[in-house]
Amino acid sequence: GENVEQHPSTLSVQEGDSAVIKCTYSDSASNYFPWYKQELGKGPQLIIDIRSNVGEKKDQRIAVTLNKTAKHFSLHITETQPEDSAVYFCAASEGSSNTGKLIFGQGTTLQVKP
Amino acid sequence: GAGVSQSPSNKVTEKGKDVELRCDPISGHTALYWYRQSLGQGLEFLIYFQGNSAPDKSGLPSDRFSAERTGGSVSTLTIQRTQQEDSAVYLCASSPSGGNQPQHFGDGTRLSIL
Repeated sequence: GENVEQHPSTLSVQEGDSAVIKCTYSDSASNYFPWYKQELGKGPQLIIDIRSNVGEKKDQRIAVTLNKTAKHFSLHITETQPEDSAVYFCAASEGSSNTGKLIFGQGTTLQVKP
Repeated sequence: GAGVSQSPSNKVTEKGKDVELRCDPISGHTALYWYRQSLGQGLEFLIYFQGNSAPDKSGLPSDRFSAERTGGSVSTLTIQRTQQEDSAVYLCASSPSGGNQPQHFGDGTRLSIL
């Protein structure tokens, strides 16, 4: 089955710096890759997603890149702000099914220092 | 508009008791997912509903876990004879029609087994 690895587990940056979180997946049939932000006591919130027919997608300060050959995808946050502090999860769709079942990485705790 | 609603937000119960967790998806969403999040971990898929049927139950950890969905809307996850290892946050998500469509999460039910 699909396996998703996420690095780093924790990341601390100064306000205004960039943050990069990387994920690898094992199932070459996976074709949908969302990223979620989770604040304490809340459910995950979708912040950006990318499909396998696209290499890069950007939404204001957030961008995601996908390398299908290498089976990895990354989240880039520019000009970080203290409110970006949260746990971030990557996920990949299970390629063998068409249900939308997602396999999640273990999460990255991002701390943005003012 | 209203998002995914889960109740109760917190549940504390004794080992061996049965518990019911409720999920009210976004109106009109036919796809509904249950995930489990153990402390400091990523999300683990439990079950997927399309309408009232559950074509993928592959993530249910044991036969003590069951779920149903009625009227194509509200879903209930039931855990019988709870064990301490069942302690976790149980998250529900919905999407318009499944497949690789964005999943929107509720804030979860934090279940603690004493």
